[in-house]
Amino acid sequence: NAGVTQTPKFQVLKTGQSMTLQCAQDMNHEYMSWYRQDPGMGLRLIHYSVGAGITDQGEVPNGYNVSRSTTEDFPLRLLSAAPSQTSVYFCASSYSSGTGSYEQYFGPGTRLTVT
Amino acid sequence: GENVEQHPSTLSVQEGDSAVIKCTYSDSASNYFPWYKQELGKRPQLIIDIRSNVGEKKDQRIAVTLNKTAKHFSLHITETQPEDSAVYFCAASIGLDQAGTALIFGKGTTLSVSS
Repeated sequence: NAGVTQTPKFQVLKTGQSMTLQCAQDMNHEYMSWYRQDPGMGLRLIHYSVGAGITDQGEVPNGYNVSRSTTEDFPLRLLSAAPSQTSVYFCASSYSSGTGSYEQYFGPGTRLTVT
Repeated sequence: GENVEQHPSTLSVQEGDSAVIKCTYSDSASNYFPWYKQELGKRPQLIIDIRSNVGEKKDQRIAVTLNKTAKHFSLHITETQPEDSAVYFCAASIGLDQAGTALIFGKGTTLSVSS
C-alpha cells in the first residue's frame, strides 16, 4: 500500500491564482480530512469527509473547497490564493477500527507559498 | 466548536528525567484523544491514544491519563532520551458519533532532551 499520497510536494502561487492540492489513499478508509500547519499554530482542520459525497467544514474553511466523489480521493481547491494561505498542508485518512483506535494516517504534506 | 489548549509550549529536560505535557478540551462530546510526535520536516506520527471510557493507558515509557470530568488529559514520558526531542501535539476528536473522523489539535509542545 502507498498509504496517503499528496501532490505536489511544493508549490508557489501568485496572489489570485487557483489550484488544487491532490490527496489519495489506497487503504479504503472512510474518513479523510485536510489540515494546515503554520509555525506556532499546530495543525488546524480545514475540511473533512465521512464518506464519498459527504463533506463538512472544519476550523478554518474560508478560501478552500473540497469534494469527495470517490472513497480514495479528497482534493482541496484554493479558489483565489492569498498570502495568508502560505502553509504546509496535510491530508489524512482514518477509519473505525473497532479496537478503540482511530489513527489518522497523514500524507507527506504539500508546502505552499503564495506571493 | 472544540478548542484544545496545550501547555507548556516548550519543555527542556535532562536525559533520564520525566516530561509531562497537559491539554484541556472544551467539547464534552469528544471521545477520542490521541497524541502525535512530529520531527522537523516530517509528518505527524501517532504515539499513543485513549478513548473516553478509559482513564489511563501505558505503552512502555509513554503513558496518557484522561480526566473526563475536568476535560483534561496528559502525556507522560519517563526516562527521556535525546531521540524523544520533537514537537508533541495533543488532539481531541470533533464531537460527532464517529470518533476519529477528524481532530482538533493543540498548538504543540517542543520537547528538548539534553544528554
